[in-house]
Amino acid sequence: EAQVTQNPRYLITVTGKKLTVTCSQNMNHEYMSWYRQDPGLGLRQIYYSMNVEVTDKGDVPEGYKVSRKEKRNFPLILESPSPNQTSLYFCASKPTGTSGRSYNEQFFGPGTRLTVL
Amino acid sequence: SQKIEQNSEALNIQEGKTATLTCNYTNYSPAYLQWYRQDPGRGPVFLLLIRENEKEKRKERLKVTFDTTLKQSLFHITASQPADSATYLCALDMRSNTGKLIFGQGTTLQVKP
Repeated sequence: EAQVTQNPRYLITVTGKKLTVTCSQNMNHEYMSWYRQDPGLGLRQIYYSMNVEVTDKGDVPEGYKVSRKEKRNFPLILESPSPNQTSLYFCASKPTGTSGRSYNEQFFGPGTRLTVL
Repeated sequence: SQKIEQNSEALNIQEGKTATLTCNYTNYSPAYLQWYRQDPGRGPVFLLLIRENEKEKRKERLKVTFDTTLKQSLFHITASQPADSATYLCALDMRSNTGKLIFGQGTTLQVKP
């Protein structure tokens, strides 16, 4: 089954304790992205990756890191989590067109609910 | 400033009626507009995409219109069913290299039997 998976689905942690949220897709998509969803603010892009070893900042990258060593995986790293990073996180992927411009539908993972105390 | 707005209040309708959801935007020029469905505790699921040069798109009971002059998209669900109850998100696709989608906050639809 074509899908995007995220782990863990739920996480409660404390301020300053490094954590990684994993994201994996089995559709051979070039493009992957991380969003956070907060009440009243909607979905906002954190980081994205056009392909292996190509990553760039989205709208709200502060406090996050990513890496793209393999095409299928795109982990989100919080080096020193803070309470304002408490949120619902979604990973998404999509194929890119031959021109490199991407306009296709995005496939979202099930989400990771993170609470930072 | 740039904004994308959807009906902030929940939409309650009776089963069998047509639900109409609105997405308005200002100071954007999207090449495409996408609609997603999100159920509680789940990720958004793609429904429809409409291009800037298309006025209307249909898929089964769903219909989307896109008016680039009014800067508005309307999303219709005909013959609504309780299973259509969910939050519906519109997203602007700027056709940029970032692939970023600019999401509205969503409208929650409740279809009552």
